[in-house]
Amino acid sequence: NAGVMQNPRHLVRRRGQEARLRCSPMKGHSHVYWYRQLPEEGLKFMVYLQKENIIDESGMPKERFSAEFPKEGPSILRIQQVVRGDSAAYFCASSSNRMNTEAFFGQGTRLTVV
Amino acid sequence: AQSVTQLGSHVSVSEGALVLLRCNYSSSVPPYLFWYVQYPNQGLQLLLKYTTGATLVKGINGFEAEFKKSETSFHLTKPSAHMSDAAEYFCAVSLNTGNQFYFGTGTSLTVIP
Repeated sequence: NAGVMQNPRHLVRRRGQEARLRCSPMKGHSHVYWYRQLPEEGLKFMVYLQKENIIDESGMPKERFSAEFPKEGPSILRIQQVVRGDSAAYFCASSSNRMNTEAFFGQGTRLTVV
Repeated sequence: AQSVTQLGSHVSVSEGALVLLRCNYSSSVPPYLFWYVQYPNQGLQLLLKYTTGATLVKGINGFEAEFKKSETSFHLTKPSAHMSDAAEYFCAVSLNTGNQFYFGTGTSLTVIP
């Protein structure tokens, strides 16, 4: 049973470009969460999605960031017009129910904006 | 509001010595508590968790943690450090009614041979 799969593992983008980060949850998991880890900091919640629905996006920046979890395929975190401050590690987690007693994390995508 | 405080961003211990990583939380309701380990350029791996029941929780790799409600703490311990324990450790809390984990800022553990 494969774990949470994220790709790419490393992504380099120039300022102004778009970044697309993908997350395939564990088999049987329909709840997906995105977290961002800035250097020297802990993980900060961004968004919680359940198939085709955004449940909680209270941690998402109001502009340039969006997320989706379509009926078929992986969850996508999209960052438009990236800036240097977007450089971070982005982690996806999945669970079989609402994330309060368990969560399985992917290996993350490390985004570098140059 | 929920918050997690990890005292000591860097901890160094000698190989074979006791490991103690501190975690205190603030929560308006009884939380669920977690410790995760992160190796360089890797994701987070669950070490142990407390949800209900016995307050002393045993996890993988010889780690354990005790939930102390009166002290709002969930410190992580291991009797004897191994070189392979060198990593970043994160404490986290969640709530029964919530949608997310709240993470501390992490403690980097160095094991000295």
